[in-house]
Amino acid sequence: KQEVTQIPAALSVPEGENLVLNCSFTDSAIYNLQWFRQDPGKGLTSLLLIQSSQREQTSGRLNASLDKSSGRSTLYIAASQPGDSATYLCAVSPDSNYQLIWGAGTKLIIKP
Amino acid sequence: GAVVSQHPSWVICKSGTSVKIECRSLDFQATTMFWYRQFPKQSLMLMATSNEGSKATYEQGVEKDKFLINHASLTLSTLTVTSAHPEDSSFYICSARAAGAYEQYFGPGTRLTVT
Repeated sequence: KQEVTQIPAALSVPEGENLVLNCSFTDSAIYNLQWFRQDPGKGLTSLLLIQSSQREQTSGRLNASLDKSSGRSTLYIAASQPGDSATYLCAVSPDSNYQLIWGAGTKLIIKP
Repeated sequence: GAVVSQHPSWVICKSGTSVKIECRSLDFQATTMFWYRQFPKQSLMLMATSNEGSKATYEQGVEKDKFLINHASLTLSTLTVTSAHPEDSSFYICSARAAGAYEQYFGPGTRLTVT
């Protein structure tokens, strides 16, 4: 049974720092991995989607990497800003049916 | 585009009553909608998948008679929590997907508190 773990559960850093959020999964047979952002009172926003054949994806200050063989993904946020404060969720799809298996998230606080 | 709304955003009800949560796709036709629940500091858990015009498919361990899902139109799905108990208190999130599309779009969630 696929399990997704995110460490740390919470992280607080000063504005401007670069940071890394971690996601691990137990079964390397995934279709893709996705990083989401969850803001209180708002829906989940998809940040980056990495197909199983890819190693990384970049969008602006965000870079997500995928190492399927070791069951790990990282989300790198460069030059963090207070507006980056949110909960970041990692989810894997076991197949093309787009069922998502979620991690519990990392709550990120960027201090001005 | 691709906006999904939920109503209400929060609700408090007494134990034993039923509560209905609506999920609407505002600018696209959602042939498939998903319902999740999320406990504090825990993962989102898929409860059920509903396709327009057909019965919902429930995940293992989810009581279909307690969590009634209706997907009667291409823009609306409802989740009714029947005979609610305090342990049903949770954050319920829906998502919607258009026909032939891969990506899900998520609603803002509904906070249910059962007293």
